[in-house]
Amino acid sequence: EVQLVESGGGLVQPGGSLRLSCVASGFTFTRYWMTWVRQVPGKGLEWVANIKQDGYERYYVDSVKGRFTISRDNAKNSLYLHMSNLRGDDTAVYYCARMPPAAVAVWGQGTTVTVSS
Amino acid sequence: SYELTQPPSVSVALGQTARITCWGNNIGSKSVQWYQQRPGQAPVQVIYKDSNRPSGIPERFSGSNSGNTATLTISRAQAGDETDYYCQVWDSSSVVFGGGTKLTVL
Repeated sequence: EVQLVESGGGLVQPGGSLRLSCVASGFTFTRYWMTWVRQVPGKGLEWVANIKQDGYERYYVDSVKGRFTISRDNAKNSLYLHMSNLRGDDTAVYYCARMPPAAVAVWGQGTTVTVSS
Repeated sequence: SYELTQPPSVSVALGQTARITCWGNNIGSKSVQWYQQRPGQAPVQVIYKDSNRPSGIPERFSGSNSGNTATLTISRAQAGDETDYYCQVWDSSSVVFGGGTKLTVL
């Protein structure tokens, strides 16, 4: 079964850090760009970051540049999002996703990040 | 940056055809994906590459893309189709989502 499972969400104070993880199974992880998407409760989907198959190309939405880092460990079929200097507007459900431009997508179930004092 | 515009809401009578549009500059030159998202759940892809349905998606769901508009069409709308829908494209190396459309089945 093709699957993505996220973990690492939780409650963190403003200015704090958190690392999200996503483990892939059921497909060849190394063949795909991987993506993090977030969603503020009651709002729409927002792309956060992408990483190329080899990890050498990474792209971010402007609002997280310099604060978030996307990475992957192909030996562990794992995707990560390291988040630092967190702000209240980073509070959201974070989804790990395989979203090829012209093929079937796969999404994880999401992990919730709450930034609050 | 590239933008996608969806109507915030669309209504359709039970059993009729719903059409949800997604406007983007020359979107016809891009591959469009559509996602259905129920409250509290992860998005589920219903269309990829403009008009293709993933396995398990009913034939009632179809898509088209030309010029500046992509369209998700839901035939014979059911009560269970009432939820949020998002269009999505890749622009260079970033992912772009439309703002989402809430479909109401009357």
